[in-house]
Amino acid sequence: SSELTQDPSVSVVLGQTVRITCQGDSLRSYYASWYQQKPGQAPVLVIYGQNNRPSGIPDRFSGSSSGNTASLTITGAQAEDEGAYYCNSRDISRDRLSVFGTGTKVTVL
Amino acid sequence: QVQLVESGGGVVQPGRSLRLSCAASGFTFNNYAMHWVRQAPGKGLEWVALIWNDGSNKYHVDSVKGRFTISRENSKNTLYLQMDNLRVDDTAVYYCAREQLVPPQTYYFDYWGQGTLVTVSS
Repeated sequence: SSELTQDPSVSVVLGQTVRITCQGDSLRSYYASWYQQKPGQAPVLVIYGQNNRPSGIPDRFSGSSSGNTASLTITGAQAEDEGAYYCNSRDISRDRLSVFGTGTKVTVL
Repeated sequence: QVQLVESGGGVVQPGRSLRLSCAASGFTFNNYAMHWVRQAPGKGLEWVALIWNDGSNKYHVDSVKGRFTISRENSKNTLYLQMDNLRVDDTAVYYCAREQLVPPQTYYFDYWGQGTLVTVSS
């Protein structure tokens, strides 16, 4: 199956901007979706499609895509944005399967 | 509102079986494909299995093929994961999640349950 690769960790100063990337062949065919997960909690969808936010997700979260790379940007990071972020896509190597990225731990300084 | 509530987790010895359930409410269950996703302690998310809305097709990650079976009972708004011949490395929190598919390129999980912990240990 294809893989989605993310940087293991990234830090951002409170109020600054951070971008998290996700690379994989599947992203040439499908948009990535992005999930935030805090310790002990279930993942929460933050971005899907070309650049869509579910109801209740702050507009400081945005998504973009180019080629085999998808990006999640947090503009003006807040303390509550700290957590792990995972991308996800369909797995084009075998239809109808799904694959998650390796995850990025975001620390807000 | 949409709710997904998993149950059935617990501590089990290697080689034994366990069945997880995911009770769905707040939406028309038989309109949606459903998934199981797991997370081993301190690790990332791993997709486990998918079942189409009508149960006609099922897919499992290679590491559980032949041991786990996803199923659903639409009349009861419930998703299942039958886990047989459990191994120590199946230890994880298991989440059920609802799929949204907007062809041709948009695919995501919009609702997740709170998870149920499965611990496989002798």
